[in-house]
Amino acid sequence: GAVVSQHPSRVICKSGTSVKIECRSLDFQATTMFWYRQFPKQSLMLMATSNEGSKATYEQGVEKDKFLINHASLTLSTLTVTSAHPEDSSFYICSARQVNKNIQYFGAGTRLSVL
Amino acid sequence: GEDVEQSLFLSVREGDSSVINCTYTDSSSTYLYWYKQEPGAGLQLLTYIFSNMDMKQDQRLTVLLNKKDKHLSLRIADTQTGDSAIYFCAEAYNQGGKLIFGQGTELSVKP
Repeated sequence: GAVVSQHPSRVICKSGTSVKIECRSLDFQATTMFWYRQFPKQSLMLMATSNEGSKATYEQGVEKDKFLINHASLTLSTLTVTSAHPEDSSFYICSARQVNKNIQYFGAGTRLSVL
Repeated sequence: GEDVEQSLFLSVREGDSSVINCTYTDSSSTYLYWYKQEPGAGLQLLTYIFSNMDMKQDQRLTVLLNKKDKHLSLRIADTQTGDSAIYFCAEAYNQGGKLIFGQGTELSVKP
């Protein structure tokens, strides 16, 4: 149990295009999902906290107009990287927090490469 | 602010025990976690411990928590080459569920 599916696993796009990443909790409900960014050989950097039915809370320094987050249901959150540029190339990972439990389960990550 | 520290590298021989250490600063942490990350993959939850516990054992994994020293350790018994990965400790920052991660310890298991 407690499986989080993240899609796509890898995406290559041209500079200026937008990319949507989906995060789904497959066998549990998640009122809260989190989006992280990870640079090579580094730890995870929290970008934003996504709450079902309300606006996401962004960490300091993360542009909310650049990284659009939608959490429309208890099992799905999406991150859209708008007008992607090469500096947005990174590994993006989502996690979902089980309702009434302080446990986060992670997706497999999305490798974004912007040419 | 809240901070979690880990050593960056650990190398052991197959069959030996591995001990990965972590220190944290937030004394109000309620949960502490160990995650494993293999190359190019997401994080896999290995185990977690409540702050009112001293020890938790789960098969080859033993977690020790010293609240006084704010020190957490993960012991892997009979380490295998498949255990080679990066191990992250994390603490839950308040009840909102935000996790504060350490830098990760890269475990290398040599045959």
